[in-house]
Amino acid sequence: GNSVTQMEGPVTLSEEAFLTINCTYTATGYPSLFWYVQYPGEGLQLLLKATKADDKGSNKGFEATYRKETTSFHLEKGSVQVSDSAVYFCALSESGGSYIPTFGRGTSLIVHP
Amino acid sequence: DAGITQSPRHKVTETGTPVTLRCHQTENHRYMYWYRQDPGHGLRLIHYSYGVKDTDKGEVSDGYSVSRSKTEDFLLTLESATSSQTSVYFCAIGTDGSGANVLTFGAGSRLTVL
Repeated sequence: GNSVTQMEGPVTLSEEAFLTINCTYTATGYPSLFWYVQYPGEGLQLLLKATKADDKGSNKGFEATYRKETTSFHLEKGSVQVSDSAVYFCALSESGGSYIPTFGRGTSLIVHP
Repeated sequence: DAGITQSPRHKVTETGTPVTLRCHQTENHRYMYWYRQDPGHGLRLIHYSYGVKDTDKGEVSDGYSVSRSKTEDFLLTLESATSSQTSVYFCAIGTDGSGANVLTFGAGSRLTVL
């Protein structure tokens, strides 16, 4: 079956530091990959996505590249802000499959001023 | 943007009472989902629906039932609530974004079972 593994948190950084949150996946087919973000007290919202190998998703200064050879989709940001403090979820969804996404457990990011 | 609302947003109830959470969408998306979120467990799928009267179980469906009599509404029922069902419940709809199944989530319903 499908699975998503992401690094344990919390990740604690100072403002303007470089961020990497690792995500690796296992899938039987050719999935689309996603990062969702959940701010305190809110539901998850899509941050970025990539639908095929070597695609780069980007949004709000965050980037992630779909690496089929390493089955990875690591999230990066060059300079984090306090407002980026949130929980980040990596996820996959099979194209043309059952439409049941698979989520990682989430990584909490805390950014200090 | 897909509109999705959950009600109630907060509920406190007692063990053994029935509870129904409602999810409403303003568009005609086919797929709808109910998740629960608990510390240390991330998101876990309870039930999902792929059309009116078409539903199926997720990984943690015991103690829960769902109904979808209209495209826009997806109801989650706890027939007899237990303390282990204290959680935050999220509804989501699936939208096809450039060939990828993107989920749009509601704001959540916080349920406390005493």
